[in-house]
Amino acid sequence: QQQVKQSPQSLIVQKGGIPIINCAYENTAFDYFPWYQQFPGKGPALLIAIRPDVSEKKEGRFTISFNKSAKQFSLHIMDSQPGDSATYFCAASSPANTNAGKSTFGDGTTLTVKP
Amino acid sequence: GAVVSQHPSWVICKSGTSVKIECRSLDFQATTMFWYRQFPKQSLMLMATSNEGSKATYEQGVEKDKFLINHASLTLSTLTVTSAHPEDSSFYICSARAPSGSIYEQYFGPGTRLTVT
Repeated sequence: QQQVKQSPQSLIVQKGGIPIINCAYENTAFDYFPWYQQFPGKGPALLIAIRPDVSEKKEGRFTISFNKSAKQFSLHIMDSQPGDSATYFCAASSPANTNAGKSTFGDGTTLTVKP
Repeated sequence: GAVVSQHPSWVICKSGTSVKIECRSLDFQATTMFWYRQFPKQSLMLMATSNEGSKATYEQGVEKDKFLINHASLTLSTLTVTSAHPEDSSFYICSARAPSGSIYEQYFGPGTRLTVT
């Protein structure tokens, strides 16, 4: 049972465009929703994260929109650049005091930003 | 801050040998570390949760006798792949939790590429 569904699998945008990556979760016990960026051959890097009591969070060019009732959240990248080309993973975490705070990851989205 | 290192970054070993991978939190203490496995163009698969001073908790389907995890200190966890076989070839990534209020952020190491010949 896949608890976090991510879409699309791949995405191509022009420089300056606004790619949007979506994730949906099933377990209402999740209370922490991070996004990670991963370049080939490297470990994932925490990009931005949100808690369910907030509907939107913005850090630089990256914005998370969160819809608790729909159990969905998305990542928006403003003014995308070729250097943003990477694989992006959403995740959802259980409370830290249960289940060791494990994260469940989406399948990833490969983003290509064309010059 | 919140830097996690892994050593080695890549390793090639012969089938039947054992390989040890180290994961260190450089500037914080991590009571919990996680070990993941990632195949090409796939997501991260959690293998086990490592807690300092106690036995690791393995995910269903992960052989605990094959993937030995030791979390001897608050800054070091090791994964030993015993009697490695070609199907164990993969990208192994660790992460460490850095307590941040009530929300535990997770920071990843750079990964270790294991190739078993």
